[in-house]
Amino acid sequence: AQSVTQPDIHITVSEGASLELRCNYSYGATPYLFWYVQSPGQGLQLLLKYFSGDTLVQGIKGFEAEFKRSQSSFNLRKPSVHWSDAAEYFCAVIANNNAGNMLTFGGGTRLMVKP
Amino acid sequence: NAGVTQTPKFRVLKTGQSMTLLCAQDMNHEYMYWYRQDPGMGLRLIHYSVGEGTTAKGEVPDGYNVSRLKKQNFLLGLESAAPSQTSVYFCASSYSRLGEQFFGPGTRLTVL
Repeated sequence: AQSVTQPDIHITVSEGASLELRCNYSYGATPYLFWYVQSPGQGLQLLLKYFSGDTLVQGIKGFEAEFKRSQSSFNLRKPSVHWSDAAEYFCAVIANNNAGNMLTFGGGTRLMVKP
Repeated sequence: NAGVTQTPKFRVLKTGQSMTLLCAQDMNHEYMYWYRQDPGMGLRLIHYSVGEGTTAKGEVPDGYNVSRLKKQNFLLGLESAAPSQTSVYFCASSYSRLGEQFFGPGTRLTVL
């Protein structure tokens, strides 16, 4: 079965610093990969997705992610964090031969931003 | 466009009580989903629907039932609530199987 691991439960960075959130997936073939963000008390919003092609994908709010097949990773990055980026971030995967539509989420990484 | 809406926003139940959570979307999406969110576990799929009149089980379906009588609505029912069902419930919808899922604001349910 597919699974998603986000090794960091909490991360704190200073405003203006760079950010990298880690995501590893377990699946035999190339999955469809997503990053979602959840602001406090809100639902989830899609930041970016990878289906195929260029392994570096750009998303909203200045985020990008890189798919590395050899490492089974899809890490999220941002060059300069803003205080408004404080939120919880979820990596998710759909196996591309899964007829059951199941989007599998990682456990999430809570980002805190220091002024 | 309201997007995806959920009612109620908060609810407290006693063990054994029943309730229904309503999800509505105005984007004409075929696919709709119910998730529960528990600390450290991300979101887990309870049930989903690929169109009006169809439903299917997700990862954690036990203790829940769903109905999709109208394309825009997806109902989640708890027939006999248990404390283990204390959680935040999210509804989502998408145009296609691989399309972006749009999420509602969530319902916080506490079962005493």
